[in-house]
Amino acid sequence: AQTVTQSQPEMSVQEAETVTLSCTYDTSENNYYLFWYKQPPSRQMILVIRQEAYKQQNATENRFSVNFQKAAKSFSLKISDSQLGDTAMYFCAFRSYNTDKLIFGTGTRLQVFP
Amino acid sequence: EADIYQTPRYLVIGTGKKITLECSQTMGHDKMYWYQQDPGMELHLIHYSYGVNSTEKGDLSSESTVSRIRTEHFPLTLESARPSHTSQYLCASKLGGSEAFFGQGTRLTVV
Repeated sequence: AQTVTQSQPEMSVQEAETVTLSCTYDTSENNYYLFWYKQPPSRQMILVIRQEAYKQQNATENRFSVNFQKAAKSFSLKISDSQLGDTAMYFCAFRSYNTDKLIFGTGTRLQVFP
Repeated sequence: EADIYQTPRYLVIGTGKKITLECSQTMGHDKMYWYQQDPGMELHLIHYSYGVNSTEKGDLSSESTVSRIRTEHFPLTLESARPSHTSQYLCASKLGGSEAFFGQGTRLTVV
């Protein structure tokens, strides 16, 4: 069975600084997707970034980028130039290639301070 | 912003009452999901549907039931609410192999 682990329950960062959120996962599969979702206080979960396991290049979306280490089964999220609006819960998630069920980690609560 | 709506946003209800949590999407998505999320915990899939008249139980056992009579509507029902049902319930939808869109959630408190 696949598992997703987020070892940082809470993180904080000052505005304009950079922060990295950690995520590790366990799977015996070779083809899969990894995601970072953001859940702001308003509660609507939003997809931040997606990585396909067969792609070696790390995904980037504006200020958000990932460090995908397939051999180490690690998938960290880096937020550059942090903004107050980045304050939210961040969930790492895994999806096997041949299913659309998402497996979530326990989340990291990120607080951005002015 | 995704066109997927959940009502109510917050619900406090007494033990033994029957409740229905509504989820609707206007995107024509064929697949819909219900997740349960306890505070500070990960989301667990409790129900999913791949189309009209198709419903399946998810990975986490739940006493709730769902129906999918229309593509856009995927309500979740608890016949007799109990304090153990207190949780956040998140609905999501997706089209084929695309990514999921989530609703804002319903925070249910059973007293």
